[in-house]
Amino acid sequence: AQSVTQPDIHITVSEGASLELRCNYSYGATPYLFWYVQSPGQGLQLLLKYFSGDTLVQGIKGFEAEFKRSQSSFNLRKPSVHWSDAAEYFCAVGPFGNEKLTFGTGTRLTIIP
Amino acid sequence: KAGVTQTPRYLIKTRGQQVTLSCSPISGHRSVSWYQQTPGQGLQFLFEYFSETQRNKGNFPGRFSGRQFSNSRSEMNVSTLELGDSALYLCASSLGGLTSSYEQYFGPGTRLTVT
Repeated sequence: AQSVTQPDIHITVSEGASLELRCNYSYGATPYLFWYVQSPGQGLQLLLKYFSGDTLVQGIKGFEAEFKRSQSSFNLRKPSVHWSDAAEYFCAVGPFGNEKLTFGTGTRLTIIP
Repeated sequence: KAGVTQTPRYLIKTRGQQVTLSCSPISGHRSVSWYQQTPGQGLQFLFEYFSETQRNKGNFPGRFSGRQFSNSRSEMNVSTLELGDSALYLCASSLGGLTSSYEQYFGPGTRLTVT
């Protein structure tokens, strides 16, 4: 069965600092990988996705993620965070031919001035 | 293009009652998925409908059911509500089909509180 692990429950970074959120997955084949962001009281917004090809993918709001097959990881990065990036971030995996997404438990990001 | 809409946004029900939540997908999207989000269990997949047929189902009891109409709008029903059903219920739509990119677009959710 597929699974997603986000080892960091809560991360605090200073505004302007770089950010890396970790995501590890377990799946028998190359999965479809996603990062979503959820602001308080809101639904989830898709930041970026990986299906195949270039292992470094660019997303919205200046985020990028790198797929590393050997480490079963899909970490999210941003070179310089803004106060508006404070939110909860979810990594998700979905197999080919199936709309069911399996989500990680999320990482809550706090930005300090 | 309008996003995914969910109604109502907030709902308070009593244990034992039933509730129906509604989701209107993005125009042209034929797949609608439902998720339950709670602090303890996180985001869990309930079921997915494509072209009026349930295509995938998560591990939830039969009290949770859904349906999809010919215009792709979907409803989710929970019967005999329990306190543990209090959650944010999220609907997501996608193009669906074999050539789908499998990108799901989420609505703002319906916050259900069971007292």
